[in-house]
Amino acid sequence: KAGVTQTPRYLIKTRGQQVTLSCSPISGHRSVSWYQQTPGQGLQFLFEYFSETQRNKGNFPGRFSGRQFSNSRSEMNVSTLELGDSALYLCASSLSFQPRSTDTQYFGPGTRLTVL
Amino acid sequence: AQSVAQPEDQVNVAEGNPLTVKCTYSVSGNPYLFWYVQYPNRGLQFLLKYITGDNLVKGSYGFEAEFNKSQTSFHLKKPSALVSDSALYFCAVRDMIKAAGNKLTFGGGTRVLVKP
Repeated sequence: KAGVTQTPRYLIKTRGQQVTLSCSPISGHRSVSWYQQTPGQGLQFLFEYFSETQRNKGNFPGRFSGRQFSNSRSEMNVSTLELGDSALYLCASSLSFQPRSTDTQYFGPGTRLTVL
Repeated sequence: AQSVAQPEDQVNVAEGNPLTVKCTYSVSGNPYLFWYVQYPNRGLQFLLKYITGDNLVKGSYGFEAEFNKSQTSFHLKKPSALVSDSALYFCAVRDMIKAAGNKLTFGGGTRVLVKP
């Protein structure tokens, strides 16, 4: 079974621009989460989508948004890019969304975003 | 709020020697605990998880972890380290009581260097 795929793998943008990152979950997985990884802040949760609805949100400004499509694929968008948005953005997929989920999250290779 | 601490930024070990990576956690309820490994320019790779039951959890690539509720710890171990185990290791927790969905809270990571 193919793993989580993310496109593109690398992106270079300038301040003020916006960017869209894409994630395709493992076949059969319906929940997609996004994380930001930076050397200073480590791994931080952005949001989780299930059945095309945002179910969970981390502590990030409104410039960070996402969506999920009916085939469970997800995109995240960052508008008005800042230098501090430079990071590795990781997508993770899980089978479902439950209040006390024991599901494992499986991660994609990430998209490396550099903001100049 | 839930949190994870990995007290060692780096662990150095000789090939063939036992490897231990430490993790302590704080949650309001019972924890679900996970270990992931990250190789350079790659996403996070799932190693093992503790949900309930036996305190010793066996995972991929010969890794195991011991859950200790009284010490709120979940240390990762491998009896005989390989050079190929050199990577960045992350401990993560999900609060069983308060968690909604699959969100994980990660520790800061421990870099493991296995020398030949």
